[in-house]
Amino acid sequence: GENVEQHPSTLSVQEGDSAVIKCTYSDSASNYFPWYKQELGKGPQLIIDIRSNVGEKKDQRIAVTLNKTAKHFSLHITETQPEDSAVYFCAAIPDSGGYQKVTFGTGTKLQVIP
Amino acid sequence: DAGVIQSPRHEVTEMGQEVTLRCKPISGHDYLFWYRQTMMRGLELLIYFNNNVPIDDSGMPEDRFSAKMPNASFSTLKIQPSEPRDSAVYFCASSPWTRRETQYFGPGTRLLVL
Repeated sequence: GENVEQHPSTLSVQEGDSAVIKCTYSDSASNYFPWYKQELGKGPQLIIDIRSNVGEKKDQRIAVTLNKTAKHFSLHITETQPEDSAVYFCAAIPDSGGYQKVTFGTGTKLQVIP
Repeated sequence: DAGVIQSPRHEVTEMGQEVTLRCKPISGHDYLFWYRQTMMRGLELLIYFNNNVPIDDSGMPEDRFSAKMPNASFSTLKIQPSEPRDSAVYFCASSPWTRRETQYFGPGTRLLVL
């Protein structure tokens, strides 16, 4: 089955700096990679996703890059703000029809220091 | 839409008692998922339903756990009897057929078994 590794487990940055979270996956059949943000006391919420036919996707201050050859993808947050503090999860899914099991990474706790 | 609704938000019970967690998925969504989140094991998929039918319950830890979905707008996860090691946050999520890989999570039920 799929195995997703996520690094780092914790990350502290100064407000205004950039943050990068990296994930690697093992199953070459995976072709959909969402990122979830979980704030304290809440459920994970999708913030951005990327499919295997795209190398990069941006949405305002967040971007995701994908390297299918190396089987890794990354979340980039620029100009970090205190409200970006949360736990971020990556995931990998093979989208081959029907429902496929989501494999989540272990999470990265991001702290943005004002 | 109100999003995925879960109740109760917090539950404290004593070992041996029956616990029932409830979920109302987003209207029109075809898939419903139950997850458990702990510090040690992260997010674990317990079971998922497609059109009210249980499809994969391989993540259910043991016979003490059971889940039902009597109609498209309601699901329950029951633990009987509960044990301290069941203490965790339990999330319900749903997704539509057209974007079945994208899951929308509820706020979770924080369960403490004493």
